Amino acid sequence: AQKVTQAQTEISVVEKEDVTLDCVYETRDTTYYLFWYKQPPSGELVFLIRRNSFDEQNEISGRYSWNFQKSTSSFNFTITASQVVDSAVYFCALSEGAKRGAQKLVFGQGTRLTINP
Amino acid sequence: DAGVIQSPRHEVTEMGQEVTLRCKPISGHNSLFWYRQTMMRGLELLIYFNNNVPIDDSGMPEDRFSAKMPNASFSTLKIQPSEPRDSAVYFCASSFGTGGNGYTFGSGTRLTVV
Repeated sequence: AQKVTQAQTEISVVEKEDVTLDCVYETRDTTYYLFWYKQPPSGELVFLIRRNSFDEQNEISGRYSWNFQKSTSSFNFTITASQVVDSAVYFCALSEGAKRGAQKLVFGQGTRLTINP
Repeated sequence: DAGVIQSPRHEVTEMGQEVTLRCKPISGHNSLFWYRQTMMRGLELLIYFNNNVPIDDSGMPEDRFSAKMPNASFSTLKIQPSEPRDSAVYFCASSFGTGGNGYTFGSGTRLTVV
């Protein structure tokens, strides 16, 4: 069965520090998709990134970067030069894609990130 | 595109009452998911539909919960009778095809049962 583990329950850093959120996943499928979502205090779930299992290239989007390593089943998320607006709960999620039709998206427990001014 | 639309945004009800949450998925999406978020259990998948057919309802907590998808543009999640422990934020999401196409979430319904 698919599983996502975010071992860091809460992280607190000072503004401008870099911070990495860890995500470890389990799946038996060779085809799967990994996601990161942001949940700000307003409560909505904001999509950040999707990565398929065949693409291990790291991705950078502004201050955000993602490191996907199949060898360690990890998909870590780094925020560079953090800002107060980055304060939110961040979720890593996994869906298995080998079967026909849509597959359920399973979430990790989330990491609450607080950026202090 | 209006996105996934959930109603109501907030619901306060008394224990024992019936509660119905509604969801309109994105037009053209063929899968719909209901999630529940609580502090203790995080984001749990309750049930999901593919082409209006329930595929996996193993996350539905008990018989008090039921979900329907009568057509491609509407789904309901009903709790009858409601209990205080059902208080949570309920999210609906829709997608097209496999997980590779992504999932779009609604704004959620915050349910409080007193």
